[in-house]
Parts: sequence; C-alpha cells; structure tokens
Amino acid sequence: SQQGEEDPQALSIQEGENATMNCSYKTSINNLQWYRQNSGRGLVHLILIRSNEREKHSGRLRVTLDTSKKSSSLLITASRAADTASYFCASPLYGGSQGNLIFGKGTKLSVKP
Amino acid sequence: DGGITQSPKYLFRKEGQNVTLSCEQNLNHDAMYWYRQDPGQGLRLIYYSQIVNDFQKGDIAEGYSVSREKKESFPLTVTSAQKNPTAFYLCASSFTAANTGELFFGEGSRLTVL
Repeated sequence: SQQGEEDPQALSIQEGENATMNCSYKTSINNLQWYRQNSGRGLVHLILIRSNEREKHSGRLRVTLDTSKKSSSLLITASRAADTASYFCASPLYGGSQGNLIFGKGTKLSVKP
Repeated sequence: DGGITQSPKYLFRKEGQNVTLSCEQNLNHDAMYWYRQDPGQGLRLIYYSQIVNDFQKGDIAEGYSVSREKKESFPLTVTSAQKNPTAFYLCASSFTAANTGELFFGEGSRLTVL
C-alpha cells in the first residue's frame, strides 16, 4: 500500500534557486513527515507537521499541509549542491502505530553548482 | 555518539542461503523497524517491534524473520524462501511506536543475491 506520492519524480535546478516538492496522500493522517536520503545512505528526518498545523519552518525548509486537499509541499529555499538527495514524504495510517509509517517513492533533487 | 548501526554494509548471498542483517541501537528506543527499498522506490515495511520479545509483520514479511531478545538489537534474517531478496535494507527506531515522532535510520545494508 502507498500512502504518499511525491511529485515531481525528479527535479533539477541551479544552486540558489528554490526547490518545491509536493506530496499527496490518500487517507486521514495525524501527521506528515519529510525525510531526506543521500544516495546509498539511510534516511534522515527533516520535519514533521501535525494535522492541525498548516505551515512549519526549519531553517531553509518550509512545509505546508492542506488536509482538505490531502497534500503537503516541501520548499527548500536558496538551494545548495549539498541539497542533492532524494526526498520522501511519509505518514502513518490514521489510528495506526508508527510501524505503519507509509513512504512515497520520493523526489530525486539534483542541484547543479 | 548515539545512533543505529547496521552491518554488514554490503552482503552477497548465494541462492538458497539464509543471511542475517544486524541492527543495533544505543538510543534507548522501544520501537524498531525493518524496511526494504528497491531502486527508485519508497520504503516498504518488513517487520516492526514495539517492545522486547514482541514483533509484528509489516506489508512484506514473507521470506523474512526477526527476533527482539534485547532492547538494543533487532536482527533480520533473509531466508531462502524470499524469492527476490536483492535490495537495500534499512533499520530504524523510534522512542515508542505511538503515532507521533520521527524515525531514526541506520545507514543500510545492501544485499545482492548471486
């Protein structure tokens, strides 16, 4: 089963530009999380937004959540070559345990210097 | 440094062999998880454990087995019954299995069947 689906699948931008990735999900959620994965490495948690929040910031990251549209977006401002990675959204099925954290297929971001 | 350690990083297996992937955490987390990642895909849950001596099947448990004898350790055995085991395996942990909070991941183990 797949809860979240990221869009676009791949994104290529120049350093300094902003990168926006979108995530759509199917069922009601308690929270939605974004993770980053460098090639061949483990995932790193970036940010969690709860269902009663609409926007959250962390450094150069801005996440929005629209529960009416079942969608979220991740904005990386002033991107750097080091931001090159795959980005995944994930959410637990409503009422499920954390073990049911469902991941999307990810957006592969390439930031060219 | 606190974290999750997976070993080995790379593993090659002949068909018909069982292999065990190690996952150790020193974060004092109650919950631990195993995910499988195939190229260009998201993560799929294999097994998870909310507490010592207890674990539950995830979406793709067939051909895998786990144990949770210690809080710190959650090894995954890929058995010969797993028909397509070549993949990247990720272990994760969280404070609890409650429906909040982030997962902490290890660096992964890449299994290749020869």
